[in-house]
Amino acid sequence: KNEVEQSPQNLTAQEGEFITINCSYSVGISALHWLQQHPGGGIVSLFMLSSGKKKHGRLIATINIQEKHSSLHITASHPRDSAVYICAVINTGNQFYFGTGTSLTVIP
Amino acid sequence: ETGVTQSPTHLIKTRGQQVTLRCSSQSGHNTVSWYQQALGQGPQFIFQYYREEENGRGNFPPRFSGLQFPNYSSELNVNALELDDSALYLCASSSGRTADTQYFGPGTRLTVL
Repeated sequence: KNEVEQSPQNLTAQEGEFITINCSYSVGISALHWLQQHPGGGIVSLFMLSSGKKKHGRLIATINIQEKHSSLHITASHPRDSAVYICAVINTGNQFYFGTGTSLTVIP
Repeated sequence: ETGVTQSPTHLIKTRGQQVTLRCSSQSGHNTVSWYQQALGQGPQFIFQYYREEENGRGNFPPRFSGLQFPNYSSELNVNALELDDSALYLCASSSGRTADTQYFGPGTRLTVL
C-alpha cells in the first residue's frame, strides 16, 4: 500500500478548463509538497504547505490535515501546464513519500 | 544566485560496478536530499543530509551511501550496481533541518547494463 495516493493518474483537459488533482496520504506529516515535472525530468516545487491554502498565480493548493487530503487546482488551464504533477509528504520522522504523479495534458 | 546542479548528466555502467553522483546545492542551502526515480514512477526518497550528517533515510540498502561536504555539496555513491538501479537520480537542496521548499537539480540519468 502506498503512503501517498493521487488521482486521477491521467488527465486531459481543454485549454481554459478548471483542473483539480487530488492527493490522499496515510502517515502523519510535517508538510506536503506539490511538484511539477516536465518531460526530461526537471522538477519544480510549486507549493509546500502544512495547513490551509496557498495561491500562486493560477495555481491553488489546499490541505485538510484532519482528512489527510490535499488538492491542487489550476484555473484557466493552458497547454504549458502540461506536465506530471506529484504530491509528496514528509512524515514526522523526516522521511519523504511520493505519489506516482498525475499526468496532465492540456489541449489548445 | 546559482541553482542546484548535478553531474554527470548521463552515465552508463555495468552490473557490479560502483558509481558516484554529485550535487551542488543552491547557495545558502545546508540540506540536500537524494531521490531515485525509475522510468514511469514517482521519485523514491533515498536519504537526506543536513550539515554533513544523515538526517533521514528511505528504504534503500546500505550499498546506497552519501556524503555532504562542508560547502554543502553532496555525493551519492552506489556500490555493486544492479540492473534495477537504472533510474533518474535527483538531488534537491533546501534550507534548514525540517520541512522547507526544495529546489531540484536536473538529475543524472544512470543506465546499468
